[in-house]
Amino acid sequence: GAVVSQHPSWVICKSGTSVKIECRSLDFQATTMFWYRQFPKQSLMLMATSNEGSKATYEQGVEKDKFLINHASLTLSTLTVTSAHPEDSSFYICSATPGLALLWGNEQFFGPGTRLTVL
Amino acid sequence: GESVGLHLPTLSVQEGDNSIINCAYSNSASDYFIWYKQESGKGPQFIIDIRSNMDKRQGQRVTVLLNKTVKHLSLQIAATQPGDSAVYFCAENAQGAQKLVFGQGTRLTINP
Repeated sequence: GAVVSQHPSWVICKSGTSVKIECRSLDFQATTMFWYRQFPKQSLMLMATSNEGSKATYEQGVEKDKFLINHASLTLSTLTVTSAHPEDSSFYICSATPGLALLWGNEQFFGPGTRLTVL
Repeated sequence: GESVGLHLPTLSVQEGDNSIINCAYSNSASDYFIWYKQESGKGPQFIIDIRSNMDKRQGQRVTVLLNKTVKHLSLQIAATQPGDSAVYFCAENAQGAQKLVFGQGTRLTINP
């Protein structure tokens, strides 16, 4: 099956710094990529949807100036957490799909996640 | 707002028994449903899906049942094995929409 990677797998940073997380589709072109956040013992919450070459669409309540998403190529999307604070500590997961619409669940491929800890 | 939820946050079963994980959804426009398995520290893994024009779909050791009348779906795992220990999420999608809405999750633990 298709593979999505994330880098780094975990990161620890000081409060006030910015952190960039990469999401790559390794063997397919990802027209659409999604970014989720998952707090401990909770579900995945969609943060934003990004289509290659266009601005990301953020979910209600997600600060677009704090969580910068760039989907500059068909294989790479980045999430930058700016001025991170301890409450931003979470598990960040990306997913990618080759299509514009979700036709089948097995066409949305999830990355392994990135654990962010802000001290 | 619309949401997908689960009846039970935890489920403990004996190895070899069948497991049934339930999910309730509230968005009547949802027409596509997916079950995911998430192991600790990993991303979700696709298990099985079902469209609203079906009420049952079977995979290898797994079956998904959909009851649109009461907006309920379930995941049945036959002959549960230790490797089935994980958190299971249902997710829904409305026709033409790109995004998935995830349920709260059920943690499945297997007793030897």
